[in-house]
Amino acid sequence: GAVVSQHPSRVICKSGTSVKIECRSLDFQATTMFWYRQFPKQSLMLMATSNEGSKATYEQGVEKDKFLINHASLTLSTLTVTSAHPEDSSFYICSGGGLGGEQYFGPGTRLTVT
Amino acid sequence: AQSVSQHNHHVILSEAASLELGCNYSYGGTVNLFWYVQYPGQHLQLLLKYFSGDPLVKGIKGFEAEFIKSKFSFNLRKPSVQWSDTAEYFCAVDMFSGGYNKLIFGAGTRLAVHP
Repeated sequence: GAVVSQHPSRVICKSGTSVKIECRSLDFQATTMFWYRQFPKQSLMLMATSNEGSKATYEQGVEKDKFLINHASLTLSTLTVTSAHPEDSSFYICSGGGLGGEQYFGPGTRLTVT
Repeated sequence: AQSVSQHNHHVILSEAASLELGCNYSYGGTVNLFWYVQYPGQHLQLLLKYFSGDPLVKGIKGFEAEFIKSKFSFNLRKPSVQWSDTAEYFCAVDMFSGGYNKLIFGAGTRLAVHP
């Protein structure tokens, strides 16, 4: 199946700093990539949908100035958490959209803001 | 608002028992339906999907799901579970919302299979 990687897998940062998370589709081209947030013992919540070469579409309640998404190519999307705060600590998961309509998920990035 | 409901949050079974996990969604339009599995420490993997055609779909590892349009349901089944099926299972529905298609996940069901 299609493979999506994320880097880093874990990151700890200080409050007020910014963190960039990369999402790559390794063996397919993802015109659309999705960013989710997963709280402990809860489901995935869609944060935003990004299309290559255009601005991301953010879900209601997600601050676009805080969670910057760049989909620079068909294989790379980045999520930058700006001025991170402890409440931003979470598990962030990306996925790439396949031709068949399904999504292929990355392994996730655990962000801890101290 | 569109939503996906999974009725069981935690399920505990013995090996060889049969499994059925419920999933209902609220949306009146055309949907694509998915079940994803997340094994401990691993990322989400697709178990099976339904887009159209035969409402009974078969997935990997002996899982199957049945789409019942009149009940807005897409329940996951397996006749005989194994210890290795211990994982979290997510039902997801691809639906048109806010001007585009997006995947809405249920809360997940944590399955524990005891030997």
